[in-house]
Amino acid sequence: AQSVAQPEDQVNVAEGNPLTVKCTYSVSGNPYLFWYVQYPNRGLQFLLKYITGDNLVKGSYGFEAEFNKSQTSFHLKKPSALVSDSALYFCAVNQAGTALIFGKGTTLSVSS
Amino acid sequence: NAGVTQTPKFQVLKTGQSMTLQCAQDMNHNSMYWYRQDPGMGLRLIYYSASEGTTDKGEVPNGYNVSRLNKREFSLRLESAAPSQTSVYFCASSLTSGSTRETQYFGPGTRLLVL
Repeated sequence: AQSVAQPEDQVNVAEGNPLTVKCTYSVSGNPYLFWYVQYPNRGLQFLLKYITGDNLVKGSYGFEAEFNKSQTSFHLKKPSALVSDSALYFCAVNQAGTALIFGKGTTLSVSS
Repeated sequence: NAGVTQTPKFQVLKTGQSMTLQCAQDMNHNSMYWYRQDPGMGLRLIYYSASEGTTDKGEVPNGYNVSRLNKREFSLRLESAAPSQTSVYFCASSLTSGSTRETQYFGPGTRLLVL
């Protein structure tokens, strides 16, 4: 069965520093990987996705993620964090013919 | 272009009461989804509709029913609410029928409290 793990419940980073939010997955075939962000009392917003091709995916608001097949990871990164990046981040995975599975979420807190 | 809209935004029910959560999208999407979000558990799929006229169970369908009224609208019904159904409910849609590589677009959510 496919699954996705976000090993950190919370990530704290100072404004201007680089940030990483971790995600690992388990699927039997080729994965489709997504990152979504949720601001307080809002729905989820799409950030980026990996379907195939270049392992480095660039998305909205300066975020990027790197697909690493050998480590089965899809970590979300940003070179310089903003206070406004503080939110709940979800990694999700599926593959052909299956439903999207979400991780439990990681709260990112960026301090000024 | 409002995207995905949900009503109501917040609802309090007593155990045993029924209610219907409404969802509509104006993006001409074929697929629609209902999720529930509980603390520390991420989002879990309740039901989905790959296209108008079809619905299928997701991971946690017990206690819920759905109706794909037309291409735009996908409602979720709780026939006899239970405290375990206290949650935040999200509706989502995606463009292509049955395509799992599509981006899903989410509504703002409905907060449901069952006493």
